[in-house]
Amino acid sequence: GAVVSQHPSWVICKSGTSVKIECRSLDFQATTMFWYRQFPKQSLMLMATSNEGSKATYEQGVEKDKFLINHASLTLSTLTVTSAHPEDSSFYICSARRGHPGGYYEQYFGPGTRLTVT
Amino acid sequence: GQNIDQPTEMTATEGAIVQINCTYQTSGFNGLFWYQQHAGEAPTFLSYNVLDGLEEKGRFSSFLSRSKGYSYLLLKELQMKDSASYLCAVMDSNYQLIWGAGTKLIIKP
Repeated sequence: GAVVSQHPSWVICKSGTSVKIECRSLDFQATTMFWYRQFPKQSLMLMATSNEGSKATYEQGVEKDKFLINHASLTLSTLTVTSAHPEDSSFYICSARRGHPGGYYEQYFGPGTRLTVT
Repeated sequence: GQNIDQPTEMTATEGAIVQINCTYQTSGFNGLFWYQQHAGEAPTFLSYNVLDGLEEKGRFSSFLSRSKGYSYLLLKELQMKDSASYLCAVMDSNYQLIWGAGTKLIIKP
């Protein structure tokens, strides 16, 4: 099956610093990747859609200057949380979309990155 | 607007059967997905339905009725490890996944 990796698995950083999270599709090429965040006991919240070679599409309410997304290749997308604050502490999950021979798209999720900002 | 509804929480007994329902209203339909998510982990794919009917995969089955905007996930022979949240998601006309809030399933011995 398709594998998506995320790095790091968890990170603790000080308020005001920046953190970069990498998302890689290991055995397929993904023209589209998605970034989600999830607070405890809440559902996934889509932050942005990342398209290879073009600018990301951000959901309403998500600050594009704070959450920088770069999809430089068909297997790598990065999310950089700039000037992190404690309220940015969350579980960040990426997913990569893959076309299925059955004629539909499927999303494969990375294992997630738990960010704690102190 | 787009909307996915599923129960917030359900409780069932080990060895029993449980059905988790999902109703949806979306702009366009390109399939319905069920994902399982254990606490602190990312979601994992369970099933995909795009045509009406029942898809069976081991202990898990998923049903779809497009005319009713309705799906259910059926879990048989429940095991303690099935305790998790189950997320219903619909792929809309733009091939974007619209997510339900998830159903937390609690399995009791």
